[in-house]
Parts: sequence; C-alpha cells; structure tokens
Amino acid sequence: AQSVTQLDSQVPVFEEAPVELRCNYSSSVSVYLFWYVQYPNQGLQLLLKYLSGSTLVKGINGFEAEFNKSQTSFHLRKPSVHISDTAEYFCAVSTQGGKLIFGQGTELSVKP
Amino acid sequence: SQTIHQWPATLVQPVGSPLSLECTVEGTSNPNLYWYRQAAGRGLQLLFYSVGIGQISSEVPQNLSASRPQDRQFILSSKKLLLSDSGFYLCAWSLTSNYEQYFGPGTRLTVT
Repeated sequence: AQSVTQLDSQVPVFEEAPVELRCNYSSSVSVYLFWYVQYPNQGLQLLLKYLSGSTLVKGINGFEAEFNKSQTSFHLRKPSVHISDTAEYFCAVSTQGGKLIFGQGTELSVKP
Repeated sequence: SQTIHQWPATLVQPVGSPLSLECTVEGTSNPNLYWYRQAAGRGLQLLFYSVGIGQISSEVPQNLSASRPQDRQFILSSKKLLLSDSGFYLCAWSLTSNYEQYFGPGTRLTVT
C-alpha cells in the first residue's frame, strides 16, 4: 500500500531565504506525485506534478520539486520565499485505484 | 474552463441535526468526484469517491453518506450529526484519464 510522509510539520523561514519541504513516499509500483498548496480557509491548489520524464518539475509561484526514485522522495523547493507563500503544503501520491493519498501537511511560515 | 462549487461555505449545526453539503462541477462530463474531511491540524481524509451516477465508494465507516444524483453533482449527508463531524469538508474532481484532482473552496462545518 502507498503512503506519504512529510517530514516537517512546521517550517519557519525568513523572507527571501530558500526553503525545502520534504516528502517521502512508499510504493511498490510506479507512482504519480503532486504538491498542493492550501491558503487559510480555502481549497487546495495544485502547485506541480510529476507524471513521467524529467525528474525536475517546475510549478507555479516559482516552486520546483525533484523526483528521486532511489530515495523515494519528492522534495519541494523555492530559492527565495515571499510572505505570500505562507500556507499549508501537501504532498500526495497516486494509487492504482486512481485516488490520491495525502501527507499530513507542512505549515510554511514566512517571516519578514 | 472547469469550475467546482461547494455550498454552503460555512455551517453551524447542533448535535443530532441533519446535514446536506452540495458540490457541483461545471465544464466537464463524467468526472470522478471525491469528498474529503480535514480536521484541525491534520491532513486530508478521503471519505467517499464516485466514478459515475449512483456509484459511491466509502473509504471509512462513519456517520456520513454520499450520493451522486446527477453526473456533476455530489452530495454529502448525515441523518444525525456528531461533535466529531466538525471539520473542513472539501470536494474534488478529476478526469477518469488521469490522477490530478481539482478542489472546491470547501465548507467549514462546526457541530455544537
């Protein structure tokens, strides 16, 4: 069975600093991977996805993620964060049944 | 373009009262539909999913039920609410051909 672990529940960072949000998954089959962002009291918005091809995936708002099959990781990065990036971030992995399994989320807090 | 609507946006209900949350999708046909619950400080829990009219799969035993009376309408219901039903309820849709899910704005339910 697939599972997703987001290694940090909270990540505080100063504005314009780089950030990495970590995600590890477990699966015995090929997977598709996703990162979503959730602003307070809103639904989830897709940041980026890995389906196949290049392991470095670029998304919206300057975020990117790298798929590492040997380490079963899909970490999210941004070289310089803004106050507006403060939100909850969710990593998700597909299942063979077409559903998504989500991690517990990482709260990114960007301080001035 | 496709859009997804949820209503109401917020709801306060007493314990033991009934519940009906509605989700509708526009701009696509025969989508897969999903209901998730997000409790405070926790990740997303998949409650129900549907691949077609009248086809509902339940992921966890609970006090809730779901129905899909029309192709693009998904309803979450309860006959008698419990305090533990409080949370943020999210509806999502996906195409049958891929795993990417698109989320609605959510409903904040508080059971008092």
